[in-house]
Amino acid sequence: DTAVSQTPKYLVTQMGNDKSIKCEQNLGHDTMYWYKQDSKKFLKIMFSYNNKELIINETVPNRFSPKSPDKAHLNLHINSLELGDSAVYFCASSPDRGSGNTIYFGEGSWLTVV
Amino acid sequence: AQTVTQSQPEMSVQEAETVTLSCTYDTSESNYYLFWYKQPPSRQMILVIRQEAYKQQNATENRFSVNFQKAAKSFSLKISDSQLGDTAMYFCAFPRSPYGGATNKLIFGTGTLLAVQP
Repeated sequence: DTAVSQTPKYLVTQMGNDKSIKCEQNLGHDTMYWYKQDSKKFLKIMFSYNNKELIINETVPNRFSPKSPDKAHLNLHINSLELGDSAVYFCASSPDRGSGNTIYFGEGSWLTVV
Repeated sequence: AQTVTQSQPEMSVQEAETVTLSCTYDTSESNYYLFWYKQPPSRQMILVIRQEAYKQQNATENRFSVNFQKAAKSFSLKISDSQLGDTAMYFCAFPRSPYGGATNKLIFGTGTLLAVQP
């Protein structure tokens, strides 16, 4: 049973399109995250939700909109895709929002914009 | 500003030998957590080990252990009896949040690519 699962795993799309990545965790955690890993493998946090409430919103273009219908799900919608959005997007979760909690990652969604 | 530095972009080790990956960080906090994650070719990010700064004892998980030097702000990962399956990118990570704070922003180093040779 996958603890943090995200779909799709691979996505190739054209510039200007809108796409979504879905994420679900079955760990019973309160807090979920989206991280972006660029082509140089650099990982950076984008968003975090705690019990459906947005608690971290880093400097991310507003073309990126996260949505959390419940605490087990956190989806990422991207409008008007650009070449620079090509990256691996990781969903993750932790037991609660506290600093220092272990973060559990999904397998990543590899987005390629052409 | 809190930063995490991994100065070894790539390393290689023979199977069954020991290798140490270095990580330094900068913080003004007195207590905090530190993490090592590995990312094998499958891309999954997997927790290797976690250390609390107030604990004097270095964390150990089977063949993985850390050498935590708080004064030097150094947090190196030692892998003993290296196995082919240890081949991966290893990331040191540090929460950019106050200890006990209400948000958990992990910041990652740039990673060390470890290749275990047969």
